[in-house]
Amino acid sequence: DGGITQSPKYLFRKEGQNVTLSCEQNLNHDAMYWYRQDPGQGLRLIYYSQIVNDFQKGDIAEGYSVSREKKESFPLTVTSAQKNPTAFYLCASSLPGQFNYGYTFGSGTRLTVV
Amino acid sequence: GQQVMQIPQYQHVQEGEDFTTYCNSSTTLSNIQWYKQRPGGHPVFLIQLVKSGEVKKQKRLTFQFGEAKKNSSLHITATQTTDVGTYFCAGSGGYQKVTFGTGTKLQVIP
Repeated sequence: DGGITQSPKYLFRKEGQNVTLSCEQNLNHDAMYWYRQDPGQGLRLIYYSQIVNDFQKGDIAEGYSVSREKKESFPLTVTSAQKNPTAFYLCASSLPGQFNYGYTFGSGTRLTVV
Repeated sequence: GQQVMQIPQYQHVQEGEDFTTYCNSSTTLSNIQWYKQRPGGHPVFLIQLVKSGEVKKQKRLTFQFGEAKKNSSLHITATQTTDVGTYFCAGSGGYQKVTFGTGTKLQVIP
């Protein structure tokens, strides 16, 4: 079945460490997105990519980095510069532009800084 | 930038009662999407509305897009415990990324 796979499901990080969250999709979608969700809050856009080898900052990109070397993969690195990284991270994909008939989300990664 | 607000933020209803959440955009939208996120889960796409004044139904759920394409609503008739979750609208001003609303968390009391 087609879908988005995020790993790991739970991640614990020590302060000062960088961690990378994986996101893989087999939907043949061009566009991919990373969102952050804090408890009881909405979704805030971190980064998005409309095509391979290109990506743009979202609303809260500081302290995060991404790469898009393959159409299927859009990993997110949470760097030590991110002051409050504990959150639920969601990856999504869609067809681009006018063919966007809705985002497909992965099951998310819960990151906790210890 | 584009802002999308939803009201109410929380809603508790008795099972069998109706529920409505409203979505308002600061700018005109080209389309509006609705998502449902179950507790502990991830958002799941429900529907997309494109035309001014459009109304779509999915069983007990009715979705409406305003005439000015700046607001939308989701109405659930006779809520059930399976309707529990957070409902998000998401709007796009063009062929670009969408902006998610703040969400309405629905609790259904059996």
